[in-house]
Amino acid sequence: DIQMTQSPSSLSASVGDRVTITCRASQSISSYLNWYQQKPGKAPKLLIYAASSLQSGVPSRFSGSGSGTDFTLTISSVQPEDFAIYYCQQSYSTPETFGQGTKVEIK
Amino acid sequence: EVQLVETGGGLIQPGGSLRLSCAASGFTVSSNYMSWVRQAPGKGLEWVSVIYSGGRTNYADSVKGRFTISRDNSKNTLYLQMNSLRAEDTAVYYCARGTVTTYGRAFDIWGQGTMVTVSS
Repeated sequence: DIQMTQSPSSLSASVGDRVTITCRASQSISSYLNWYQQKPGKAPKLLIYAASSLQSGVPSRFSGSGSGTDFTLTISSVQPEDFAIYYCQQSYSTPETFGQGTKVEIK
Repeated sequence: EVQLVETGGGLIQPGGSLRLSCAASGFTVSSNYMSWVRQAPGKGLEWVSVIYSGGRTNYADSVKGRFTISRDNSKNTLYLQMNSLRAEDTAVYYCARGTVTTYGRAFDIWGQGTMVTVSS
């Protein structure tokens, strides 16, 4: 199975800060990488697919980059509604594993 | 409106069985890659199972031989039959649609989740 490792596990940020979350795969997965946002008590929401494509309806302050084994999710100017847990997920092979999550908290 | 609605969760004793349902509206289950993903309390997301549009299925090692994914095309509904349940199966279970992207699939539609608690 492909292991997905996110860093950091949590971070504190102020509104307006630039936030970067990284995700590393245990083997090369090309661009088979998706990012999700989950708020408490809610289902995950797709933000980014294929490493860098923005899902319809997602604000442009979210962006993704990377290929191979190293990927990044960036929030250019974090807003109050962005405080949540973010997960990466590889769709290269089954099982389609998720990272352990990164909690973005208000400073 | 495109949506998924899960039902069937509850409290069940270890060794028991439960069937989860996931009713779809706004799209056809049988034409899509459909998965179950679970989340133990306070933990991250774990992929559980998939059924492809052609009917092929696959499972996480942790549930293989105990869980069965299926669908009823006439009801446009996805199912997860869970047998020999263990305490470690306790989780919120989500059904999700996998949409085809340039690179594999991404889960673009999720249900609200249904809680399964395995405890005596």
